[in-house]
Amino acid sequence: AQSVSQHNHHVILSEAASLELGCNYSYGGTVNLFWYVQYPGQHLQLLLKYFSGDPLVKGIKGFEAEFIKSKFSFNLRKPSVQWSDTAEYFCAVNPNNNAGNMLTFGGGTRLMVKP
Amino acid sequence: DGGITQSPKYLFRKEGQNVTLSCEQNLNHDAMYWYRQDPGQGLRLIYYSQIVNDFQKGDIAEGYSVSREKKESFPLTVTSAQKNPTAFYLCASTFVPYTEAFFGQGTRLTVV
Repeated sequence: AQSVSQHNHHVILSEAASLELGCNYSYGGTVNLFWYVQYPGQHLQLLLKYFSGDPLVKGIKGFEAEFIKSKFSFNLRKPSVQWSDTAEYFCAVNPNNNAGNMLTFGGGTRLMVKP
Repeated sequence: DGGITQSPKYLFRKEGQNVTLSCEQNLNHDAMYWYRQDPGQGLRLIYYSQIVNDFQKGDIAEGYSVSREKKESFPLTVTSAQKNPTAFYLCASTFVPYTEAFFGQGTRLTVV
């Protein structure tokens, strides 16, 4: 079965620090990749997605992610975090094989940004 | 406004009782999903449905049941067979073929 790993469970940064959250998946075929964010008390929102094309994807709020196929990775980055980025971040993978419409999530990374 | 509505937001039930969580969408999405969110475990798929009157088990379907009688609705029943039902439950929907998932606000179920 496919799996998604987020190695950092908790990250604490000061404002203006750079952020990189790791995401690795185990599925061998072509995939669609997503990063979702859950702000405190709010529902999950899409940050960015990769389906095909340029492996460097830009999302909302200054976030970007790079798909490295050889490493089965889709790491999330932001050059300078703000206090308002405090949230939980989830990486997700959908196999692009039309065999099903499943979306598998990683365990999440809880980010706290200190003002 | 289009979106996904889950109700209720908070639900308390006694141990041994079945309880049904509601999920309705007006996005004309084809597929609907139920996830369970526990701290440190991310979102785990319970059931999903790509078309009306058809659904598939996810990774943790035991103790849960669903129905998909209408495209807009995908209720989840947490049965007494679910050993640890206290959790946050999220409903989502997408088009088929897959685009991106939209999520509801969630239902926090507490079994006492």
